Amino acid sequence: DQQVKQNSPSLSVQEGRISILNCDYTNSMFDYFLWYKKYPAEGPTFLISISSIKDKNEDGRFTVFLNKSAKHLSLHIVPSQPGDSAVYFCAAVSANAGNMLTFGGGTRLMVKP
Amino acid sequence: DTEVTQTPKHLVMGMTNKKSLKCEQHMGHRAMYWYKQKAKKPPELMFVYSYEKLSINESVPSRFSPECPNSSLLNLHLHALQPEDSALYLCASSHNVAYGNTIYFGEGSWLTVV
Repeated sequence: DQQVKQNSPSLSVQEGRISILNCDYTNSMFDYFLWYKKYPAEGPTFLISISSIKDKNEDGRFTVFLNKSAKHLSLHIVPSQPGDSAVYFCAAVSANAGNMLTFGGGTRLMVKP
Repeated sequence: DTEVTQTPKHLVMGMTNKKSLKCEQHMGHRAMYWYKQKAKKPPELMFVYSYEKLSINESVPSRFSPECPNSSLLNLHLHALQPEDSALYLCASSHNVAYGNTIYFGEGSWLTVV
């Protein structure tokens, strides 16, 4: 049973517009969430994280929103750039499981010039 | 500097071969991880080392044998692998295994078993 789900396998956005990537989770013990970006033939690169005590965290063009009641988080990229084209993984951690990441299936983002 | 270095980047091995994947970090991290990623799937945790001791083995077959010679190095010894073991093997590290420490990944080693 997938505890972290990214229901959109792919997303296409025009350069300069907003990209919104979504992630849902089922395990209520998850309380720390991360987004990773992955280019082909490379390892995942950490982007941004959020703790469950917050509902928003912002870093430059990247903002992560967390809705605990809905068990939903989203990553907003504004403005989107062609270099943002990659696969984005949502990952979750629960405090009682140490630092083990549970990944979602990933969303492939394509930003068109 | 958040660099985790993995070698080799590509490895092709036969089912009777013995080979090793290597990982190095100089960030002073005391937790190191091996993940396996198949095409179009998310990374899956294999092993966790904490302070050079194996703390988690996610029921990985014994043909994969991890080793942590010191706090900067992590190896994955491979023997008698199967073609279905072909995947991207990712090494990662974090400050320690405590909850909330960001995990940094290397670029991965692409393994093909023939």
